[in-house]
Amino acid sequence: GAGVSQTPSNKVTEKGKYVELRCDPISGHTALYWYRQSLGQGPEFLIYFQGTGAADDSGLPNDRFFAVRPEGSVSTLKIQRTERGDSAVYLCASSVTGGPYEQYFGPGTRLTVT
Amino acid sequence: QKEVEQNSGPLSVPEGAIASLNCTYSDRVSQSFFWYRQYSGKSPELIMSIYSNGDKEDGRFTAQLNKASQYVSLLIRDSQPSDSATYLCAVSGSSNTGKLIFGQGTTLQVKP
Repeated sequence: GAGVSQTPSNKVTEKGKYVELRCDPISGHTALYWYRQSLGQGPEFLIYFQGTGAADDSGLPNDRFFAVRPEGSVSTLKIQRTERGDSAVYLCASSVTGGPYEQYFGPGTRLTVT
Repeated sequence: QKEVEQNSGPLSVPEGAIASLNCTYSDRVSQSFFWYRQYSGKSPELIMSIYSNGDKEDGRFTAQLNKASQYVSLLIRDSQPSDSATYLCAVSGSSNTGKLIFGQGTTLQVKP
């Protein structure tokens, strides 16, 4: 079946602009996760959704970052007033349900802030 | 101290040899452990999960878990050049929401 999909694959934006990154999880998966990966590092947790609600947003670095999942499927990560330090690969993963279960990653969105 | 630690490598092994990748973690209440493979420029791909102490085998891969020592490892038998990648160890956080904490990864090079 289809895996996790993410759009766009690449996004270049200017400092101070607003961006939206989209994630479409594996069909039937109720849990969705966002991570951020910088060069040479492992992914860093941002936020976890179980259904429509954000069950854990402890990884969001500041209030410029926000994510939604209004219908319990597709999720959008929103970044306001982008900074050069936001440049990274943003990864989305999904699992059958929340908890200590296997997570499957999408291809990622490479965000570059100039 | 980092929550999940891996030697960044590179670990270089000849083709056909056993590659041994190691990971230690700091949170004693962690319950779930995963190994991901990541090729350069690609996203992480799940290759193994392990939840109980002992060994778990899947094809050429064996994951080993020792919760008392807070140690998890991945063995790759009959290593192939196509196994050359970065291997990420991931541990579930103590909140048990599924939040994963990753190590920085170990780069494996398999030389023909």
